[in-house]
Amino acid sequence: SQQGEEDPQALSIQEGENATMNCSYKTSINNLQWYRQNSGRGLVHLILIRSNEREKHSGRLRVTLDTSKKSSSLLITASRAADTASYFCATGGIYNTDKLIFGTGTRLQVFP
Amino acid sequence: DGGITQSPKYLFRKEGQNVTLSCEQNLNHDAMYWYRQDPGQGLRLIYYSQIVNDFQKGDIAEGYSVSREKKESFPLTVTSAQKNPTAFYLCASTIGLAGASAIPYNEQFFGPGTRLTVL
Repeated sequence: SQQGEEDPQALSIQEGENATMNCSYKTSINNLQWYRQNSGRGLVHLILIRSNEREKHSGRLRVTLDTSKKSSSLLITASRAADTASYFCATGGIYNTDKLIFGTGTRLQVFP
Repeated sequence: DGGITQSPKYLFRKEGQNVTLSCEQNLNHDAMYWYRQDPGQGLRLIYYSQIVNDFQKGDIAEGYSVSREKKESFPLTVTSAQKNPTAFYLCASTIGLAGASAIPYNEQFFGPGTRLTVL
């Protein structure tokens, strides 16, 4: 069963605006990861946040993790048209037999 | 260039045929994975391998088979038993520890994907 659920399913913004995507999950995790997928391409890893971290930054990306609410958010600041893509969260379980579970993604459209 | 490659990019199959999708990596990663992605959906795990000559079923293994004879290669065969094989197939790899699973703990590196269409 899917672990991560992204919200919203689709988001349209203008260049320069900030984009926020949310991910909720159901069980205890070791880490939560965000990936980007351009149309028809493979996924690219963006950032990994471990369960004992609350916030992480990478360039224009800011990820927060609230393990008490079992949720994470991805903020892309000053969006560019090139940020247009689908964004997926994926959760890594606490047992080494767990698999990385991907959500259904948020489709982001950034208009020039 | 280090990376993970998949071939072909597009593949067409007639009903009843088996087809094999190639996945090769030169990242020296121990673990490799095959995912299936349907339109507007997330990724579902088909098979994974943590070490050479060993692999495990994922969530949707029925109708698929794999082999892991070399560390660098993890081909996926879509058999005629797979009733709805039209999808986008993604291969990935991750750093692993020999004899231990690193699946949930590290980032995965993805290939560019193969789009399979059944005619």
